[in-house]
Amino acid sequence: DAKTTQPNSMESNEEEPVHLPCNHSTISGTDYIHWYRQLPSQGPEYVIHGLTSNVNNRMASLAIAEDRKSSTLILHRATLRDAAVYYCIRNQAGTALIFGKGTTLSVSS
Amino acid sequence: DTGVSQNPRHKITKRGQNVTFRCDPISEHNRLYWYRQTLGQGPEFLTYFQNEAQLEKSRLLSDRFSAERPKGSFSTLEIQRTEQGDSAMYLCASSLLAGGKDTQYFGPGTRLTVL
Repeated sequence: DAKTTQPNSMESNEEEPVHLPCNHSTISGTDYIHWYRQLPSQGPEYVIHGLTSNVNNRMASLAIAEDRKSSTLILHRATLRDAAVYYCIRNQAGTALIFGKGTTLSVSS
Repeated sequence: DTGVSQNPRHKITKRGQNVTFRCDPISEHNRLYWYRQTLGQGPEFLTYFQNEAQLEKSRLLSDRFSAERPKGSFSTLEIQRTEQGDSAMYLCASSLLAGGKDTQYFGPGTRLTVL
């Protein structure tokens, strides 16, 4: 049980922002929210994670709802290299990651 | 920081043969995880180590599978008497569990094909 719900697929145009939603309505107070992405035939790549507050890094931003039952990964300007499967995962530190099927993001030029 | 490395990247074997994969984690990382990924699915947890101690095994890890991390550095995953159902990508991840944080970084994976 992945414990998160994501759309199967999303489409975007190059250089436009992308908002990838994730629902984790049963999240516990100590669960972190992680986002990974995976290109074909590669291992998952860490994108960002957060606990309660919104987070920014060089790759993306993570917006966490006030009740923590949902979050959104924001890619500010999509590029063709951002086309990948994006996984939203909730887990406690020190435990294994439980992956769902993720969201397949397509980016068109 | 050279990242997590895995060898070999690809392995083709015949059913019934034994195979061994190696994972070299990021230096100083105390946690090491093994996952398996089949086509169209997300990775599934197999087992993990804290230093040299194997702390948890998934029910997916049948008795044909064994993993070691003898000196708390690199790890090996062995599959004995391989079956066609073992064909998958085997992924290794490492992390530094400290201060309540545990971000896992993945290697490129070893793709196993059992004929």
